[in-house]
Amino acid sequence: AQKITQTQPGMFVREKEAVTLDCTYDTSDPSYGLFWYKQPSSGEMIFLIYQGSYDQQNATEGRYSLNFQKARKSANLVISASQLGDSAMYFCAMRDTLEGGKLIFGQGTELSVKP
Amino acid sequence: KAGVTQTPRYLIKTRGQQVTLSCSPISGHRSVSWYQQTPGQGLQFLFEYFSETQRNKGNFPGRFSGRQFSNSRSEMNVSTLELGDSALYLCASSPWDRGQNEQFFGPGTRLTVL
Repeated sequence: AQKITQTQPGMFVREKEAVTLDCTYDTSDPSYGLFWYKQPSSGEMIFLIYQGSYDQQNATEGRYSLNFQKARKSANLVISASQLGDSAMYFCAMRDTLEGGKLIFGQGTELSVKP
Repeated sequence: KAGVTQTPRYLIKTRGQQVTLSCSPISGHRSVSWYQQTPGQGLQFLFEYFSETQRNKGNFPGRFSGRQFSNSRSEMNVSTLELGDSALYLCASSPWDRGQNEQFFGPGTRLTVL
């Protein structure tokens, strides 16, 4: 069965520093996609970055990059130059491309950015 | 391009009632998925609709149902509400192709069951 594990319930980082949020996944399917979402206290899920299982390079989107290690089944999110507005819950999710739009989510990591 | 919209944003119901939530996907997106988020269970997949057909279903009782209209708008219905149905209900839209990497969420409907 597919599973996403986020082992860090909460993390602190100083403003302007970089932070890595961990995500490991488990699937037996060769074709899958990995997503990271940010959820502020307002509740909306904001798409951050996507990595396909066959993508050769790690995905990057502005200050977000995904450290994809396929052999280790990990897809860690790196946020560079943290900002106060980055304080939120962060969710890692996986989609099996054979399952259409269904996403399996991890339990989330609450990130707090301190001045 | 307008984002995913959900109505209503907040809802208060009592046990035994039923509720209907609405989701309008991004223009051009034909797949709509629904998720329930609770503090205890986290984010759980309810079901996905594509071209008016249910394509996938999560592990929820039959009280939870949905449908999709020809314009891709989707509704989900919960009958005989229970206290445990209190949650944030999120819908997400994506394009028609299974391989697409777009999956955008709406702001959610926060349901409180008293």
